[in-house]
Amino acid sequence: SQKIEQNSEALNIQEGKTATLTCNYTNYSPAYLQWYRQDPGRGPVFLLLIRENEKEKRKERLKVTFDTTLKQSLFHITASQPADSATYLCALESGGYQKVTFGTGTKLQVIP
Amino acid sequence: DTGVSQDPRHKITKRGQNVTFRCDPISEHNRLYWYRQTLGQGPEFLTYFQNEAQLEKSRLLSDRFSAERPKGSFSTLEIQRTEQGDSAMYLCASSADGRTGFEKLFFGSGTQLSVL
Repeated sequence: SQKIEQNSEALNIQEGKTATLTCNYTNYSPAYLQWYRQDPGRGPVFLLLIRENEKEKRKERLKVTFDTTLKQSLFHITASQPADSATYLCALESGGYQKVTFGTGTKLQVIP
Repeated sequence: DTGVSQDPRHKITKRGQNVTFRCDPISEHNRLYWYRQTLGQGPEFLTYFQNEAQLEKSRLLSDRFSAERPKGSFSTLEIQRTEQGDSAMYLCASSADGRTGFEKLFFGSGTQLSVL
């Protein structure tokens, strides 16, 4: 069956360190993968998209890698700040009609 | 650009009642999605519209659920004979029809449904 797995346990990290979140998927062949941020009581907000032919993408303090052989994406936040505390969701294109399927999300807590 | 708006933000209803939610997408977006999210889980895909056509519907969506998008503008999601298991956040998202085949999703703040 198809699965998108993210660390179900919360990730606690000290301010200033690099946070690394993992997304593993099974039985998908996505043309692209995205990362979203979600704050409590709000809808997800798009952060980054990476295509299957791209290995790495950066935006300010964010970096995403995409390994289609390992079926894994890593999401890095460098110089993390308490304001980065949120749930981070990975999402895959998963159907001919642009259907987007989300993982369960990882809650990140950056400790001052 | 006022973003995606959803109404109401919160809805409390008794089991067995019908409820309807509304979503107004970003005006130039022709794609519209509905998702359901429960605590600690990611959003689950429910259905998708391209303009007024409903192109895909999840098997999670029982026949008590119906969604419409008349004239390809706003959309409504109706749940008939609500059950306690329907309690969740219902999220709407929209996107443009990009040349690359994908554009990012813009989400509303959701409607939190509580079925008592």
